[in-house]
Amino acid sequence: NAGVTQTPKFQVLKTGQSMTLQCAQDMNHNSMYWYRQDPGMGLRLIYYSASEGTTDKGEVPNGYNVSRLNKREFSLRLESAAPSQTSVYFCASRDRGQSYEQYFGPGTRLTVT
Amino acid sequence: QKEVEQDPGPLSVPEGAIVSLNCTYSNSAFQYFMWYRQYSRKGPELLMYTYSSGNKEDGRFTAQVDKSSKYISLFIRDSQPSDSATYLCAMAGGGAGKSTFGDGTTLTVKP
Repeated sequence: NAGVTQTPKFQVLKTGQSMTLQCAQDMNHNSMYWYRQDPGMGLRLIYYSASEGTTDKGEVPNGYNVSRLNKREFSLRLESAAPSQTSVYFCASRDRGQSYEQYFGPGTRLTVT
Repeated sequence: QKEVEQDPGPLSVPEGAIVSLNCTYSNSAFQYFMWYRQYSRKGPELLMYTYSSGNKEDGRFTAQVDKSSKYISLFIRDSQPSDSATYLCAMAGGGAGKSTFGDGTTLTVKP
């Protein structure tokens, strides 16, 4: 099993450009999450999807959109990138039930100039 | 005020030391308490998972939860250079499927 995979690993954008970060999991998990991690600020939840067909805003959703394409895939889109969106982005997934353990991907390092 | 506050660090200890990492929280609905370890330039991975109050031991690692004080700790015995990483506490409960993370403590264990 590959677990949670993310593409791309690195990306540099100019202000105003758009891009989509891709995430896929092969563990048949119901819930998926997008976080951003900035130095000294831990993990901040951008959006999450409790199950296929549903998405909800997290703590810092402004400037982002998401799509839960199917049970495996959850994408994050930046429509008009800003320097404040320079960060490391992590995707995670979780199985149904009482376990809150999340499985994380390797991250995408995004720089917006 | 944040729901979860984590001792900021960074922390630097000699090999073999006992390390204590701590978090406090304000949300009484939290019932599930987790510690994640994150190596440099990698994604976090679950290290310890505890439900409600009490202690849980796994090898050199012990997780403690004191719900009356809203305080959790992770102890590392006989610390090794390979334990050098950022440790994130996380908490969940109250029906939402989300976890709330602390900001992380970066630990360096020097040989």
